[in-house]
Amino acid sequence: DVKVTQSSRYLVKRTGEKVFLECVQDMDHENMFWYRQDPGLGLRLIYFSYDVKMKEKGDIPEGYSVSREKKERFSLILESASTNQTSMYLCASSLGQWGTGELFFGEGSRLTVL
Amino acid sequence: GDSVTQMEGPVTLSEEAFLTINCTYTATGYPSLFWYVQYPGEGLQLLLKATKADDKGSNKGFEATYRKETTSFHLEKGSVQVSDSAVYFCALTSPAYSGAGSYQLTFGKGTKLSVIP
Repeated sequence: DVKVTQSSRYLVKRTGEKVFLECVQDMDHENMFWYRQDPGLGLRLIYFSYDVKMKEKGDIPEGYSVSREKKERFSLILESASTNQTSMYLCASSLGQWGTGELFFGEGSRLTVL
Repeated sequence: GDSVTQMEGPVTLSEEAFLTINCTYTATGYPSLFWYVQYPGEGLQLLLKATKADDKGSNKGFEATYRKETTSFHLEKGSVQVSDSAVYFCALTSPAYSGAGSYQLTFGKGTKLSVIP
């Protein structure tokens, strides 16, 4: 089975701190994604990557950056956390382009910024 | 742009009741359609999909039929169980997407289902 592992299930950080959310997948997928999930807003795409060292902005990239130095790992970085970044963050991976593939999600990282 | 509209939740049903969660879409071309499910405390997982008009996706007793004439992909189950309590997301992707967009999925906002014994 494909496994997408997010390093932290729960984090509590203070405003202004730098936050790293790590995601690792074990099925050699080309594509990796970071979403945030908020009540009433559903899933919103922050960034995605379709190859090592490649990244593309999603719908809400402001305040975030990403890093993909190895195929299996995709990191989300909050350079200076703010309270409006309190949310559930979901990492996902997929093989190939959309019409034939499916997303495999991690269990999520719930971030609280105080 | 493309969009997915789901019925507002939460939906509360008694065990063994019939379930329908409505999903309609607006998309360029002929999209592929998906239902994802998120059980409490977990990430999303694919429940079923359909890639062309009149296709029926099915899994775990759930079904959805791709209706191009009504641009709909409603999720149904004949008899729900307590274990079906979850959030359900309708989603689409379109072959009309090009470049980086071809990797993207458009999600609805999700519908929370609670099944009581």
